[in-house]
Amino acid sequence: DVKVTQSSRYLVKRTGEKVFLECVQDMDHENMFWYRQDPGLGLRLIYFSYDVKMKEKGDIPEGYSVSREKKERFSLILESASTNQTSMYLCASSFGGRAHEQFFGPGTRLTVL
Amino acid sequence: QKEVEQDPGPLSVPEGAIVSLNCTYSNSAFQYFMWYRQYSRKGPELLMYTYSSGNKEDGRFTAQVDKSSKYISLFIRDSQPSDSATYLCAIGYNFNKFYFGSGTKLNVKP
Repeated sequence: DVKVTQSSRYLVKRTGEKVFLECVQDMDHENMFWYRQDPGLGLRLIYFSYDVKMKEKGDIPEGYSVSREKKERFSLILESASTNQTSMYLCASSFGGRAHEQFFGPGTRLTVL
Repeated sequence: QKEVEQDPGPLSVPEGAIVSLNCTYSNSAFQYFMWYRQYSRKGPELLMYTYSSGNKEDGRFTAQVDKSSKYISLFIRDSQPSDSATYLCAIGYNFNKFYFGSGTKLNVKP
């Protein structure tokens, strides 16, 4: 079974803090994705990566950055957390030619106070 | 206008009912149509996908695409309490352009 794990299930941070969310997959997938999920808005793509050290902006990249130094690991960084970044963050991965078949992690519920 | 529209529900049905979940989309260029199921406090999991058009069946689940109406459906036959979840449609046409619906919450009552 594909396994996508995320470093924390729940996280509480203060405004202005730098926040790291980490995602690890064990199926040698080329593609990795970061989404945020908000009520009424569905999943929105923040960034994705199709290879080590490669990244592309999604629909809502402002206030976020990413890092992919190893194939299995994709990190989302909130440079200076703000209250409007309170959300559920979901990581996903897929094989290179099959981005329509994404496997998701359990999510990290981030609260920024 | 949103790329994908999905009724949030909630939809409550008795066990054994046929459930119909739907999404509409705006861009006729979309080619990939997916349905994900998300249980409470879990990440979404892919249920089914279709490419281009037509129907696809997998056990109690049937996915339909009507490209002329820009409308996709997921039917669940003989619904079970274990089907209670939020169902997300996702639609796209290339590598990084997938749009997710906001999800329909389904409750199947025993």
